[in-house]
Amino acid sequence: AQKVTQAQTEISVVEKEDVTLDCVYETRDTTYYLFWYKQPPSGELVFLIRRNSFDEQNEISGRYSWNFQKSTSSFNFTITASQVVDSAVYFCALTNSGSARQLTFGSGTQLTVLP
Amino acid sequence: NAGVTQTPKFQVLKTGQSMTLQCAQDMNHEYMSWYRQDPGMGLRLIHYSVGAGITDQGEVPNGYNVSRSTTEDFPLRLLSAAPSQTSVYFCASSYSSPAGEQFFGPGTRLTVL
Repeated sequence: AQKVTQAQTEISVVEKEDVTLDCVYETRDTTYYLFWYKQPPSGELVFLIRRNSFDEQNEISGRYSWNFQKSTSSFNFTITASQVVDSAVYFCALTNSGSARQLTFGSGTQLTVLP
Repeated sequence: NAGVTQTPKFQVLKTGQSMTLQCAQDMNHEYMSWYRQDPGMGLRLIHYSVGAGITDQGEVPNGYNVSRSTTEDFPLRLLSAAPSQTSVYFCASSYSSPAGEQFFGPGTRLTVL
């Protein structure tokens, strides 16, 4: 069985602070895919990044960066110089390479960026 | 492209009533799925389909039915609504490649009284 744990239920930071959202996963598969989604107050789910299990390179996209470490089964997400518009619920998710792709989501982290 | 569309956006039902949540996609995606989102629990998979005529159960299938007669449509039926089914429902679609991004619809907020 797969499992994704986001231990941080809520995080509050002041604008321009850096913040890291933690994600720890469990899977028996050797090939799997990790995702981060953002859910702003409007409710839609916005895709942020996908990473496969064979690519451990960290990735940076503007103020966003992701740190994938297979040794600790973690896929953490850092926002640099946070902004009020970053306030949202962030979900980490996992899927395997089987014929039916089923996303297993973490419970989400509510990030509030205060002005 | 409209992407993934869901109707209705909001719905209130009484216990025991039945209804169908509609989901359609115009991206010719093979995979479609339904998730429910409850506070503090993230999204959980209800049912999914790998192509027209093929459906299977996810993590929380009880009380729900699905069918997939076309590639585009994947309706979710509540047979006899219960208060425990009060939730936000998301439909998603993707290509068959496991690396492919899942595209989510805007969600349906359902309240069962």
